[in-house]
Amino acid sequence: AQSVSQHNHHVILSEAASLELGCNYSYGGTVNLFWYVQYPGQHLQLLLKYFSGDPLVKGIKGFEAEFIKSKFSFNLRKPSVQWSDTAEYFCAVNLSGTYKYIFGTGTRLKVLA
Amino acid sequence: NAGVTQTPKFQVLKTGQSMTLQCAQDMNHEYMSWYRQDPGMGLRLIHYSVGAGITDQGEVPNGYNVSRSTTEDFPLRLLSAAPSQTSVYFCASSYGGDGRNYGYTFGSGTRLTVV
Repeated sequence: AQSVSQHNHHVILSEAASLELGCNYSYGGTVNLFWYVQYPGQHLQLLLKYFSGDPLVKGIKGFEAEFIKSKFSFNLRKPSVQWSDTAEYFCAVNLSGTYKYIFGTGTRLKVLA
Repeated sequence: NAGVTQTPKFQVLKTGQSMTLQCAQDMNHEYMSWYRQDPGMGLRLIHYSVGAGITDQGEVPNGYNVSRSTTEDFPLRLLSAAPSQTSVYFCASSYGGDGRNYGYTFGSGTRLTVV
């Protein structure tokens, strides 16, 4: 069955540290890839998405993600985190040409001021 | 432009009661979905719809019903509430042109407690 894995469940960083959150999926076909962010007490918001083309995708608030097809990965990065980046981050995969949309279990990021 | 509107924001039910969670979107999106979010389990799909009159089950549909009579509205009905349905429920919609899901817009959620 298709699945999305986020291996880091909790991450704690100091402000200005660099961030990389892992996301791997299991599906052999074409996929569309997404990262969402959920700030404390709020709903999920779309951070960035990849459909095709340049595998390095830039999103809002300085986040970027790189699609590595050979590794089935779509890792989220930010060069320098801020206290306001404290949130839960969800990776999601849409199987291209289908309605199927699979979320990972999320990574809680805490940034220490 | 309101986006996705969910009501109510909070609800407490007694075991066995029924209720309907409302969801409406004003973006003319084809896709609408209901998810529940539980600690450590991410988001799990309850039901989804790809257009008015078309609905299907997700991974955790038991105990829930949906209908989609219009493009805008996608209510979720709890038939007979159970404590296991205590959760945060999110409605989401997306544009689905050319067979792709272009990314969800989420509602603000309903926090449901069943006692």
